[in-house]
Formats: sequence, structure tokens, C-alpha cells
Amino acid sequence: VIWMTQSPSLLSASTGDRVTISCRMSQGISSYLAWYQQKPGKAPELLIYAASTLQSGVPSRFSGSGSGTDFTLTISCLQSEDFATYYCQQYYSFPRTFGQGTKVEIK
Amino acid sequence: EVQLVESGGGLVQPGGSLRLSCAASGFTFSSYSMNWVRQAPGKGLEWVSYISSSSSTIYYADSVKGRFTISRDNAKNSLYLQMNSLRAEDTAVYYCARDDNLDYWGQGTLVTVSS
Repeated sequence: VIWMTQSPSLLSASTGDRVTISCRMSQGISSYLAWYQQKPGKAPELLIYAASTLQSGVPSRFSGSGSGTDFTLTISCLQSEDFATYYCQQYYSFPRTFGQGTKVEIK
Repeated sequence: EVQLVESGGGLVQPGGSLRLSCAASGFTFSSYSMNWVRQAPGKGLEWVSYISSSSSTIYYADSVKGRFTISRDNAKNSLYLQMNSLRAEDTAVYYCARDDNLDYWGQGTLVTVSS
């Protein structure tokens, strides 16, 4: 099993801030990492796959980086609609695993 | 437009069974692997099961292995999850999601296991 450590679990920020979320793997997964955004009462939505490829329709203020064991999701200029919970997920091997989630809240 | 619509959730007693369905449209269903992912109330996401496009490869989370069975009918563009011996800890919203990187999700169906 590949364990994932996502941090922080809670991030307080203001509109316009640059925010960074980290995801660390217990073993290397090349670039088989995805990031999802979930708003309350809604299904998650794919933001980034293959560690750094933006899903179609996702704003360019979202970016992903990393490979191997350390990955980062960056929101360059936080907008009001970005306040949500974010999850990383590895699809390198089974069982698939998710990070614990990062809730981005308004400061 | 890709659409995934889950159904079949509800209230069931511990030890009971339930069958979830996921109806797919807007893409060539038979070309894609599919997954079930669940989310307990107030908790994070948990991957449950995977099935390849041809059903030749299937995986389960340890938490459901031996109790849940994933299947698909490519002729009906449908994905299924047969859940037996349900436990209170299986209470969650169940989502179907497409492909390895879960690029599209359904809206979810709530399964509540309680006496």
C-alpha cells in the first residue's frame, strides 16, 4: 500500500493569496498523481492529472508539480470559488489511495 | 457530454445487501475502466473498487474484499456494485468515476447501514 501524507489539513487564506498544498508518498509513483477539488455536497472534480497536466476547463491559476514522492498543488491567486477541500490521489498502483484532504477556508 | 448517474442507494440493516448502479452516457463506455469511490459522512475519499474496460481486471480495497462485487455491462453502458454483509462503517456516499485518473464522477448515491 502506498501511504500519502497531505498537508496542511486546514489552510486559512484570503482572496488573492498564493497557496500551496503538499502531498508526500511513502514510495515513488513517477507522475501518477491527480488533484481533485470538492465543494460541500458535491462530487469531487479533477483539476490536475499526471502530476502537472491541467484538466480541460480548469483555470490556469491552478498548477501542479513534482514527481517520485513529493508533489505540490499551487493556486496562484485564490478566488472566492476556490474555497473548497482538495485531495491528492495516486494511480500508480492498487489499492488506489487518497490524501487526507486540505480544506481551504476564508481567513 | 459525459454523464454518470448512480442509483440504488438507501437504508439497509447491518448484514443486508444492496446493489448500486451507475448509468454512463456521452462517451464510449466500453473503452474505459471504471471505479467506485466512497465518502463517509464528514470524512475523506476512499477508493473502493476498479474494473477494467473488458472486466478482465478487478481490484478491491481490503475493507470491502469478499463482501463487494464490481461488474459492468458494456452493452447497457452500466457499472454495478453488489454490496453484501453490509456494516455500519459502509455508510457513505458512493460515487462511480471514470478511468485511472477519475476524470469524471457521478453525483453519488447515499448508502446508510443502520438498524
